Amino acid sequence: DTGVSQDPRHKITKRGQNVTFRCDPISEHNRLYWYRQTLGQGPEFLTYFQNEAQLEKSRLLSDRFSAERPKGSFSTLEIQRTEQGDSAMYLCASSSGLAKYQETQYFGPGTRLLVL
Amino acid sequence: AQSVAQPEDQVNVAEGNPLTVKCTYSVSGNPYLFWYVQYPNRGLQFLLKYITGDNLVKGSYGFEAEFNKSQTSFHLKKPSALVSDSALYFCAVRDGDYKLSFGAGTTVTVRA
Repeated sequence: DTGVSQDPRHKITKRGQNVTFRCDPISEHNRLYWYRQTLGQGPEFLTYFQNEAQLEKSRLLSDRFSAERPKGSFSTLEIQRTEQGDSAMYLCASSSGLAKYQETQYFGPGTRLLVL
Repeated sequence: AQSVAQPEDQVNVAEGNPLTVKCTYSVSGNPYLFWYVQYPNRGLQFLLKYITGDNLVKGSYGFEAEFNKSQTSFHLKKPSALVSDSALYFCAVRDGDYKLSFGAGTTVTVRA
């Protein structure tokens, strides 16, 4: 399977704990995106990378959230001191870095986080 | 900021009947519009996109979408729905350089 993969698929944690999610994009895709989806809502943009550079962050991404893409391949999203409001599906997407109008984002299966 | 709206939370159709899922958009400049489908506990699957050119865009699984500039709409259509088309459908618009802004989604139920 050469699609976007995410690990873990599910995570249950207690409030106050730290969690880290991983995303492996489609091979050779140089743009990588993180979105958050809460129940009954569409995905909301969190941040994106072009290669290893983090180019844009949403104000949704509080200082408890940090994302990295150290070698321009896989990415990690860490949430520190989790809160119950962080419970959501975290989606990763990648795109090939073509001209803007040609871009299509392809999504992974998501990581569902439940904070107790 | 660019945005899309999906006016219907739910659409119910009988198998074999036409399916339409509505989306309206608000953009400054050229609209880049997308449709994605989400099955339970899964990520989003790309269906089709409008960039420029023909107002009728054909996509995956027999879906198509009609871009209407005067009505600022981008409705998703399928001539003959299948039970397996039952899912959550999202319309999205490119907002800024690359990020997508999504609608709230429309749940489609196709009854046998």
